[in-house]
Amino acid sequence: DSGVTQTPKHLITATGQRVTLRCSPRSGDLSVYWYQQSLDQGLQFLIQYYNGEERAKGNILERFSAQQFPDLHSELNLSSLELGDSALYFCASSVGIPDTQYFGPGTRLTVL
Amino acid sequence: QKEVEQDPGPLSVPEGAIVSLNCTYSNSAFQYFMWYRQYSRKGPELLMYTYSSGNKEDGRFTAQVDKSSKYISLFIRDSQPSDSATYLCAIGGTDSWGKLQFGAGTQVVVTP
Repeated sequence: DSGVTQTPKHLITATGQRVTLRCSPRSGDLSVYWYQQSLDQGLQFLIQYYNGEERAKGNILERFSAQQFPDLHSELNLSSLELGDSALYFCASSVGIPDTQYFGPGTRLTVL
Repeated sequence: QKEVEQDPGPLSVPEGAIVSLNCTYSNSAFQYFMWYRQYSRKGPELLMYTYSSGNKEDGRFTAQVDKSSKYISLFIRDSQPSDSATYLCAIGGTDSWGKLQFGAGTQVVVTP
């Protein structure tokens, strides 16, 4: 157990809908990273927050957004969902920057 | 060209053999190197990390970095069926915010 928690574990929804994925980092970790892993794309970096502020952006679609709250948990919002958004979404956290990242168990999103 | 190249395998070895995994990278500015293990779409688990050229050993695992050749390796001695997983290399340090570049992952199968 890495200490990073993610909810929900599984999410099934329809195209056009909006969902929110939640991540709680390890105790003491200030940085949160979001990744998408699909079968044909590998692990893709989406976005990073450090102590509440956005610090780096990767291949994140405009339909996706995220934030980190004062208690350091983070949420990833996915809207206008498409079939191609079906994937595993992982959150990782680290103490500082740069530092080793510890991954949560992931949220499996299925868009029908 | 991807910044980090990793052969996706699968790599099949008999139990007890040495597993040899590697990644190449293109950006000489990368400063730190990690290996993660991922079981069947679970969250990646950090195995090894290093910040310098040379070897680092932890139990049955040895990580090797050759910065001059931009080449990193992971060796698993006395492989066990429980080592069957996908192994991802992750490389970072080109920016100040901890962004990692992941390899595609190599699927390893250890047969009894």
